[in-house]
Amino acid sequence: GEEVAQTPKHLVRGEGQKAKLYCAPIKGHSYVFWYQQVLKNEFKFLISFQNENVFDETGMPKERFSAKCLPNSPCSLEIQATKLEDSAVYFCASSPPDRGYSNQPQHFGDGTRLSIL
Amino acid sequence: LAKTTQPISMDSYEGQEVNITCSHNNIATNDYITWYQQFPSQGPRFIIQGYKTKVTNEVASLFIPADRKSSTLSLPRVSLSDTAVYYCLVGDLAPASNTGKLIFGQGTTLQVKP
Repeated sequence: GEEVAQTPKHLVRGEGQKAKLYCAPIKGHSYVFWYQQVLKNEFKFLISFQNENVFDETGMPKERFSAKCLPNSPCSLEIQATKLEDSAVYFCASSPPDRGYSNQPQHFGDGTRLSIL
Repeated sequence: LAKTTQPISMDSYEGQEVNITCSHNNIATNDYITWYQQFPSQGPRFIIQGYKTKVTNEVASLFIPADRKSSTLSLPRVSLSDTAVYYCLVGDLAPASNTGKLIFGQGTTLQVKP
């Protein structure tokens, strides 16, 4: 599709439960990025993929967070044993293959609002 | 990515031109200047990108002086629907160079009033 599609729009979980978020990148895009927006304007980079391979995972709290991008499936971000502090909006973005001579903008979905109760 | 500084908030009125300036004193030779816009309950949207001089598209203009240590996003004749947060990002954003991750600052919250 021509837009990054994120599902669900809103997810509510009790503390300690698992949460799984999905992202369908724009067709033909090679890179997928996950960001967490906790406070109003503060974004935190979590992880990126180049096709199905992890590209940069320096932002991931690995003890509870995991992510995958498998061929022919939406990408996913999973949080085990959720905590109150995981409440945030999680954005997925995708960008075209890197042509090496230009900065391709990232195309963002509208996010999944995760509420941990 | 180079650190950027932009005003936290700005107010304007419908029909006015709005200019948001971003400072980036440590911009590197390979760095581009990119602006994103975020409406409430939506993801950031790419507005415009430039390297030097002036870039114009159907939404905005981007003015970059010769020393590239600052840039100005210009929104002509704003309307109420331009109320949003505007982020200035500076860096070589190509994934091969930077792993592609975007580092957003606080952004500028623009409030357009009737």
